[in-house]
Amino acid sequence: DGGITQSPKYLFRKEGQNVTLSCEQNLNHDAMYWYRQDPGQGLRLIYYSQIVNDFQKGDIAEGYSVSREKKESFPLTVTSAQKNPTAFYLCASYPPAGTGVSRAFFGQGTRLTVV
Amino acid sequence: AQSVTQPDIHITVSEGASLELRCNYSYGATPYLFWYVQSPGQGLQLLLKYFSGDTLVQGIKGFEAEFKRSQSSFNLRKPSVHWSDAAEYFCAVGSSNFGNEKLTFGTGTRLTIIP
Repeated sequence: DGGITQSPKYLFRKEGQNVTLSCEQNLNHDAMYWYRQDPGQGLRLIYYSQIVNDFQKGDIAEGYSVSREKKESFPLTVTSAQKNPTAFYLCASYPPAGTGVSRAFFGQGTRLTVV
Repeated sequence: AQSVTQPDIHITVSEGASLELRCNYSYGATPYLFWYVQSPGQGLQLLLKYFSGDTLVQGIKGFEAEFKRSQSSFNLRKPSVHWSDAAEYFCAVGSSNFGNEKLTFGTGTRLTIIP
């Protein structure tokens, strides 16, 4: 079955450490997105990539970094510069326009807790 | 800029009662509108979407939503809720160039079902 896999589901890190969240998809989608979810704030866009080797900042990119070396993979690194990294992180991929499949596909999320 | 407002942060309804979750959007062109549902600790699942045509759209799990252009609304309804409907619900708006532009999500409405 095609889908998006995020790993790990739960992640604990000490303050000041960088941590990388994995997102892999086998849907052959060009566009991939990272969202952060906090209680009462819905989903906020961190970074997105519409093609391999290219990515754009979203609304809250500070303290985060991404790479897109392969179409299937879009890892997110939460750096020590992120002031409040504890949150639920969701990865999504979007099919290209004109395919007749027009909805986002979401992973199951990673809950990051920084202690 | 596009935006989505979900005015109800938390709604409690009795099992078997009817449900309406409100969603208002702001978008400069013809919007693509979505409702997603999220169970605790999980990713998002698409309930339904509106692109064009009939303004009353049917989704999964017995949900429906009505697009009202004059009111800039896309409210989600269900005639009789089940305990399994307890979750968080997100309304989202996108562009007709879906796949090349990001979705904008509302802040979500948490639904609690009481026996």
